[in-house]
Amino acid sequence: SYVLTQPPSVSVAPGKTARITCGANNIGLKSVHWYQQKPGQAPVLVVYDDSDRPSGIPERFSGSNSGNTATLTIDEVEAGDEADYFCQVWDVDTTSYVFATGTKVTVL
Amino acid sequence: QVQLVQSGPEVKEPGASVKLSCKVSGYTFTELPIHWVRQAPGKGLEWMGGFDHEDGERFYAQNFQGRVTTTEDTSTETAYMHLSSLTHEDTALYYCVTGVLSIAAKPSFDYWGQGTLITVSS
Repeated sequence: SYVLTQPPSVSVAPGKTARITCGANNIGLKSVHWYQQKPGQAPVLVVYDDSDRPSGIPERFSGSNSGNTATLTIDEVEAGDEADYFCQVWDVDTTSYVFATGTKVTVL
Repeated sequence: QVQLVQSGPEVKEPGASVKLSCKVSGYTFTELPIHWVRQAPGKGLEWMGGFDHEDGERFYAQNFQGRVTTTEDTSTETAYMHLSSLTHEDTALYYCVTGVLSIAAKPSFDYWGQGTLITVSS
């Protein structure tokens, strides 16, 4: 099976940049989507197709994907960005969607 | 604006089955992929399966093969997910999801239902 690996946690000071990685074999060949989930709420799509943002998502959220690592970058982090973040891909070999276990972002 | 409205919470005994519904509005139902994702308490997201109307393909996660069935009623624009042989480990929040933004082979999940809590308890 295709496994996505994220760090369990990332801590960042307000106003700084948070980078959340999503690692897997040749993930650069796949389209990666990122979700934000705050406590008690349904997940929200923040980046799709590696680097596109849905309407309403701040430009502070950006994505990249190359080689074996996809990255979600949050610039000028705010207290409201504190949440769990999950990356996701479609694995054509197993014909299944795969989610990583998620990264908890803490704003110091 | 796509809206997904799910059925209410249920409590089931181990060994029972459950069928959840997801009413879709705001988009042409037959142009939407509909998938199901669950989240156990304090855990991550787990894709269960789904259907893409455009290519007519239905997929299920290997972990649920034989236990999960997804169906769609185009007349009522409602999707259903049936899960059988429930165990305590199936206690979770179940979401129906869909997407229209992505141009990838299989889309992102742009829209999420409010979730249905299924509790398996004896």
